[in-house]
Amino acid sequence: DAGVIQSPRHEVTEMGQEVTLRCKPISGHNSLFWYRQTMMRGLELLIYFNNNVPIDDSGMPEDRFSAKMPNASFSTLKIQPSEPRDSAVYFCASSLVGGRNTQYFGPGTRLTVL
Amino acid sequence: TQLLEQSPQFLSIQEGENLTVYCNSSSVFSSLQWYRQEPGEGPVLLVTVVTGGEVKKLKRLTFQFGDARKDSSLHITAAQPGDTGLYLCAGRLGNAGNMLTFGGGTRLMVKP
Repeated sequence: DAGVIQSPRHEVTEMGQEVTLRCKPISGHNSLFWYRQTMMRGLELLIYFNNNVPIDDSGMPEDRFSAKMPNASFSTLKIQPSEPRDSAVYFCASSLVGGRNTQYFGPGTRLTVL
Repeated sequence: TQLLEQSPQFLSIQEGENLTVYCNSSSVFSSLQWYRQEPGEGPVLLVTVVTGGEVKKLKRLTFQFGDARKDSSLHITAAQPGDTGLYLCAGRLGNAGNMLTFGGGTRLMVKP
């Protein structure tokens, strides 16, 4: 069975550009999480969805960040406009509500904003 | 200040040595997990502990959940270079649904 799929794996863009990160969760999972990881701040939860509905977006840094989950098999995280301080590795993870809360992480998208 | 504090943040040891990593909080967790992350990859679950005082072993790794379910430790016996990576503890608060709170991580390097 395929794990969590993220694309692109690497993204280099210039300040001010729009960036869209994509995630396909594990089939059958009903929770999806977006995280950001940096050396300084570690792994930070940005937002999570249950059954495609956003439950907690308190970790979203500011209005430049938005996330959607139009269906159970796809989610996007958009940054518009991007800034150099957004440079980080962004992870998507999925899990099954009611289980042991094991989160299965994708390989991440390394974003560099110049 | 993070809800889950891990120590040490960095650890560099020689192959064959033993080590312990700590994960501490003032909050009570209904369960606690340990993940390992290797460079260029996402974290991968190692173990879940749910009962206060619980001890689980995974080959050379021993995990313990504190009696009060506020802390946990990971002990590695005879560390090997393959143990190198970032170790993250993650706790589930009772009222947090299936959301996890992650610690800051311990970056371990085991030199041959």
